[in-house]
Amino acid sequence: DTEVTQTPKHLVMGMTNKKSLKCEQHMGHRAMYWYKQKAKKPPELMFVYSYEKLSINESVPSRFSPECPNSSLLNLHLHALQPEDSALYLCASSRPPGAAGGNEQFFGPGTRLTVL
Amino acid sequence: SQQGEEDPQALSIQEGENATMNCSYKTSINNLQWYRQNSGRGLVHLILIRSNEREKHSGRLRVTLDTSKKSSSLLITASRAADTASYFCATRTSGSRLTFGEGTQLTVNP
Repeated sequence: DTEVTQTPKHLVMGMTNKKSLKCEQHMGHRAMYWYKQKAKKPPELMFVYSYEKLSINESVPSRFSPECPNSSLLNLHLHALQPEDSALYLCASSRPPGAAGGNEQFFGPGTRLTVL
Repeated sequence: SQQGEEDPQALSIQEGENATMNCSYKTSINNLQWYRQNSGRGLVHLILIRSNEREKHSGRLRVTLDTSKKSSSLLITASRAADTASYFCATRTSGSRLTFGEGTQLTVNP
């Protein structure tokens, strides 16, 4: 299974809502990532988990809260978002640094988030 | 700021023609990767070239890497309408971080 799944595909939320994005992979990858992508722009790294521990936080506002419950799952909890947070949120996974083989990232299809 | 810059920003060709995209980066790298993204979808890994490699092939794809010029190129031969997508280079410097270039939007006209 070389697939990364993300739910939901689309999400519309108000600025006072609390919602969560979910990501799952069963490739045995021990590195997982959240990216934010605006239209016609490259993905911007938000968070990296390595062996279920947060290893990189790219100075993301606290209204985004990541969670890695186990080696297959990655969540992104959203609270009090702003309209400018509307974007495509991509999850990815890879072998961790130092592991044998390449470290190419496998991406999910993304969640299209709209904040009203 | 992004490590990689790509040119052209947009490229439109006819089916059957070759497409070449270029990527430049600023710092030393461990490897450079190319990804494709169809509109509004996730990215798909195409090919990885390590810093000690100069050229790599995969099907209709050919990637070159010139570390002295800090640049890479992706050649797609005999293009098809299905190759229409955005193409991003991404550099890995250390750890888990990949830094993406701005991307090239390729349109292949039938």
